[in-house]
Amino acid sequence: DSGVTQTPKHLITATGQRVTLRCSPRSGDLSVYWYQQSLDQGLQFLIQYYNGEERAKGNILERFSAQQFPDLHSELNLSSLELGDSALYFCASSVAKASGKTDTQYFGPGTRLTVL
Amino acid sequence: AQKVTQAQTEISVVEKEDVTLDCVYETRDTTYYLFWYKQPPSGELVFLIRRNSFDEQNEISGRYSWNFQKSTSSFNFTITASQVVDSAVYFCALSENGQNFVFGPGTRLSVLP
Repeated sequence: DSGVTQTPKHLITATGQRVTLRCSPRSGDLSVYWYQQSLDQGLQFLIQYYNGEERAKGNILERFSAQQFPDLHSELNLSSLELGDSALYFCASSVAKASGKTDTQYFGPGTRLTVL
Repeated sequence: AQKVTQAQTEISVVEKEDVTLDCVYETRDTTYYLFWYKQPPSGELVFLIRRNSFDEQNEISGRYSWNFQKSTSSFNFTITASQVVDSAVYFCALSENGQNFVFGPGTRLSVLP
């Protein structure tokens, strides 16, 4: 158990809908990362937050957004869903004390999103 | 632009054999970090190692060892005396200066009893 929790574990929805994925980092970790894993694209980095602020952005679509709340949990919002958004979405957390440095990431179990 | 190549899509070995997983990376930064992750059939991602670009010392952890060579932009991973529990997909990843992360396509390792 990495200490990172993600809810829900599974999510089935229809095209055009909007969903929210939730991630709670390990106690003491200030940084949260979101990743998407699909058969077509492999593992892709989406976005990173550090202590409530966006720190790095990867291949995140404009239909997707994220935020990190004062209690450090994070939510990934996916809107206008398409079939191609079906994937496993991982959250990871790390201490990440300073900008420009990176450290060990601990991954949650993932949320499997199926868009029908 | 950063890129990670794992040329071996699938590898099969018999238990107790040694196996090396290759990782070649591309980056223009002088400060970067390299990672290996394991994804067993259960689906979770497990961190194995992080190495920064200024530390070329090879590392050994039990049956696992890593060979980092900046001259060839490679960060290879060797499992000695493989076991069935080592069966998984292994990902190599690169992070430039702590920003963004790029993963390789993964190598699926099957260790047969």
